[in-house]
Amino acid sequence: AIQMTQSPSSLSASVGDRVTITCRASQDIRKDLSWYQQKPGKAPKLLISAASTLQSGVPSRFSGSGSGTDFTLTISSLHPEDFATYYCLQDYTYPQTFGQGTKVEIK
Amino acid sequence: EVQLVESGGGLIQPGGSLRLSCAASGFTFSNYAMSWVRQAPGKGLEWVSTISGAGGNTYYADSVKGRFTVSKDHSKNTLYLQMNSLRAEDTAVYYCAVIITGYWGQGTLVTVSP
Repeated sequence: AIQMTQSPSSLSASVGDRVTITCRASQDIRKDLSWYQQKPGKAPKLLISAASTLQSGVPSRFSGSGSGTDFTLTISSLHPEDFATYYCLQDYTYPQTFGQGTKVEIK
Repeated sequence: EVQLVESGGGLIQPGGSLRLSCAASGFTFSNYAMSWVRQAPGKGLEWVSTISGAGGNTYYADSVKGRFTVSKDHSKNTLYLQMNSLRAEDTAVYYCAVIITGYWGQGTLVTVSP
């Protein structure tokens, strides 16, 4: 199975900060990577698909980049509603695998 | 409006069986692969299973292979997950999802405990 290594596992940041989360795949997954945001008690919300395609309704401060094995989710300027846990997911092949998650907390 | 509504969760003893359902509406059910994803209390997301749009292909995580069976009823627009030989480590919120589109249900809690 493809392993997805996500880092950091948590971070503390302030409103207005630029935040970067990375995911590394154990093998080439082309651009078959999505990013999700999850808030406590809620279902995950798809932010970005195909490594860099922003979903409809998602603020433009979110962006994704990368291909092959290395991927990045960037929040250009953190808003209060962005404090949540973020996951990457590879859908290149089965079994699909999630990263371990990154909890973004308020500093 | 797309809706995915899971049901069937609850408390079950180890070794028992449970069937989860996910009623889908607002999209063409047969056109999309559908998945089950679970989340143990305080833990991350784990992909469990996917079934193709027409239902002819199924995929499972190693952790559930041989114990869980995914299926679709196109006449009812409903996705199922039959879970047998349940273990404590299967305790989780189970979500149904159309991963490619980002449609997710609200989840149903399965607790495996004596």
